[in-house]
This record gives sequence, C-alpha cells and structure tokens, in this order.
Amino acid sequence: ETGVTQTPRHLVMGMTNKKSLKCEQHLGHNAMYWYKQSAKKPLELMFVYNFKEQTENNSVPSRFSPECPNSSHLFLHLHTLQPEDSALYLCASSQDERGEGWETQYFGPGTRLLVL
Amino acid sequence: AQKVTQAQTEISVVEKEDVTLDCVYETRDTTYYLFWYKQPPSGELVFLIRRNSFDEQNEISGRYSWNFQKSTSSFNFTITASQVVDSAVYFCALSGGSNYKLTFGKGTLLTVNP
Repeated sequence: ETGVTQTPRHLVMGMTNKKSLKCEQHLGHNAMYWYKQSAKKPLELMFVYNFKEQTENNSVPSRFSPECPNSSHLFLHLHTLQPEDSALYLCASSQDERGEGWETQYFGPGTRLLVL
Repeated sequence: AQKVTQAQTEISVVEKEDVTLDCVYETRDTTYYLFWYKQPPSGELVFLIRRNSFDEQNEISGRYSWNFQKSTSSFNFTITASQVVDSAVYFCALSGGSNYKLTFGKGTLLTVNP
C-alpha cells in the first residue's frame, strides 16, 4: 500500500538544526493531518488541512511549522526542537468534502525522529 | 468529551488461539464513527474497519470480526485462529462531531507466539 508516503523514514537532528518532514498522498483526498506518537502516550493530532487551508492547530508549539502547498503534499518544518519532541510523526489523509471529519483517515509509515 | 478505553495493554497468545481485543468508548454525540487500526512494528497505521453509530450489525472479514454494542458502548475486535503476522499494536478510535478529531485509545499490544 503506497497511498500515503512519508520521507525521511528516520531522522536524527540536533536541537539547533532545521529540518523538514514530507508527506505525499496519492489517494485524491482533500484533507491531510499530522499526528505525533510518543512512547506510552496516545496518538496526538497536531494539525489538520482541508483543501489546503489549515482548519486545526492543536496547541502545537511554534517550533513545528506546517505547510500545505496543495492537497497532495504536506510538510512539517522543524526548528530548535527539544529532546522531548523525539517521537514517531505520522501523516494521514482523508476524503472530507463536507468538512465533517468522519471519513476514514489513511496513514503513512511515519518518520521516526530523534532529537539529540 | 470523547474517550476511548482499551483496558488490555498487552495480550500474548499462542498461534491458532482466538483473541478478543476490548474497546469501550464515551461520547455525547448521537452520530459518531468507530474505527480499528493495526500498527505493525514498521509503524504504519493500517485501517481495518469503520462503523457508524446507527449500524450495530456485527461484521466479519476473514479471520477478523467486530462486535458493536451501543448498550454497553463497546466495539470489540476478535481475531480467530491467530497467526504470528497478527502481532501488532491495535488501536480503537472514535470520531464524532465536526472537528476532525479522531480520539484514539492507548492501544493493545498483541503478541502471537508460534
């Protein structure tokens, strides 16, 4: 299944680095999401984009900056991260034309991020 | 507020055993959707099933079956004749209201031993 792809799959960065995570969906969906999965914590929704417009920012620190240039691509720009930001970052997409948020979300393989 | 509880943190079975993963949810919405996802060691969350609150019919897909009971706010998942490839973390999730928010449970780690 290659409906949602994410690059890189693994990333190690220092606290002063700037890096970006990329997500691409090949399913023709209009909504895209970033989630954070930390050890021993439930999945946390970070951002939602619908038709390229950000519709949700779940109180995420400004050191995480999302970008959605079109309905197929989603980026997460990272700068001056902290060690506690180490986690699996998952991208998802869904077909959500009515903006109701109930449609099935399909996930990518994630990027495992380690902040040193 | 929505909440999903997966009380079983870890389950270990021997191949060919049947296993049931429990999911209990809380919501004030009258219309909502329930989901199960599988997360193998590779990390990707694999969609298994979506159920709406008006459809209480149980569903069977191969070795997988789901039992949705509104009276007990439960949406349990049974794997029949488990296989080693079923080893993964399984998440139950709930979506209700117009806020895009999928509320996930903490997941159940299933280990199927040969």
